[in-house]
Amino acid sequence: SQQGEEDPQALSIQEGENATMNCSYKTSINNLQWYRQNSGRGLVHLILIRSNEREKHSGRLRVTLDTSKKSSSLLITASRAADTASYFCATPHDMRFGAGTRLTVKP
Amino acid sequence: DAGVIQSPRHEVTEMGQEVTLRCKPISGHDYLFWYRQTMMRGLELLIYFNNNVPIDDSGMPEDRFSAKMPNASFSTLKIQPSEPRDSAVYFCASSSGSNQPQHFGDGTRLSIL
Repeated sequence: SQQGEEDPQALSIQEGENATMNCSYKTSINNLQWYRQNSGRGLVHLILIRSNEREKHSGRLRVTLDTSKKSSSLLITASRAADTASYFCATPHDMRFGAGTRLTVKP
Repeated sequence: DAGVIQSPRHEVTEMGQEVTLRCKPISGHDYLFWYRQTMMRGLELLIYFNNNVPIDDSGMPEDRFSAKMPNASFSTLKIQPSEPRDSAVYFCASSSGSNQPQHFGDGTRLSIL
């Protein structure tokens, strides 16, 4: 079974808007990781948030973690066309990925 | 530093043939993962190794699939005999610890005719 499940499955926005993606998981975690996959490429690690952290920033990325709800969110601010990709969350428990959120940023 | 290196990048072969996919992890990483990605099933974990030992192979579809890691710098995923439903992109990834981020190769796009 999959540990991380992303929502929504697809998201289409205009350049400059913010994009929010959500992730739910099932078991206790040590940390939660977000990845990006551009078309035809492997996944690239974006950011890791530990179980004792509630929020973390990296450039235009902001990740939150709510362990009581077993959920996380990834916010991309001031989106760019280059942010068009699929985004996945994963936990080290079993490193299985969900279906991802396919983000399209229109110029 | 070199990332995870997979070969070949593309493979087209006829059903029934043996297929061998190769992976060189990042030096010093002691975890290695094999994934398969299709539109229908998404990204599936097939097997992972720790210190060259297979830890979880519950995702391997059937006996036609086998994976080995003879040393810390090389792993293979073999399909014998191959079938059209094996067509997918196969990714290898490595990490420096069980809780650490994974580094992915660019995958092998496999087409079985």
